[in-house]
Amino acid sequence: NAGVTQTPKFRILKIGQSMTLQCAQDMNHNYMYWYRQDPGMGLKLIYYSVGAGITDKGEVPNGYNVSRSTTEDFPLRLELAAPSQTSVYFCASSLDRNHYEQYFGPGTRLTVT
Amino acid sequence: QKEVEQNSGPLSVPEGAIASLNCTYSDRGSQSFFWYRQYSGKSPELIMSIYSNGDKEDGRFTAQLNKASQYVSLLIRDSQPSDSATYLCAGERGFGNEKLTFGTGTRLTIIP
Repeated sequence: NAGVTQTPKFRILKIGQSMTLQCAQDMNHNYMYWYRQDPGMGLKLIYYSVGAGITDKGEVPNGYNVSRSTTEDFPLRLELAAPSQTSVYFCASSLDRNHYEQYFGPGTRLTVT
Repeated sequence: QKEVEQNSGPLSVPEGAIASLNCTYSDRGSQSFFWYRQYSGKSPELIMSIYSNGDKEDGRFTAQLNKASQYVSLLIRDSQPSDSATYLCAGERGFGNEKLTFGTGTRLTIIP
């Protein structure tokens, strides 16, 4: 199993550009999550999904959008990138509501200039 | 009050000694707790899960949970330089909530 994979590893965006961060898992997990982590800070939940077709906002959803059309994939869309979105983005997954352990992807380091 | 609090450190421990990392939580409904290790520039890696009061041992790691006092701890015995990392404590939010609450992490440095 590859576990949770994320692409790209690094990206530099100009202010106002848009992009999609890809996340996929091959563990047949139902729950998936997007976090951002700023330098020296903890993880902040952006969006999460409990299954295909179901998504919900986390603590910091503004400026982001998600979709979950399959169990495996959970892309995060950034519209109109702003410098405040410079961060490291982690995707994670967990099996179901009775198994809270989350497993993380390697992350995407995004810089907006 | 933050839901999960950790001392941000840094915590320095000599090689071979016991490193003790602590975490307190405010939500009495939380039942399960997790410790993640995060090396600089890497993603969090799950190292311990604990679901009931008491101790749980796995190799050099021991997780302790005290629900009455609402704290969780991680002990690392025979600390090695490779244990130098930031350790994140996380708790499930209880009552079927599918999200975890993460602490901000404690940076641990093992001194050779």
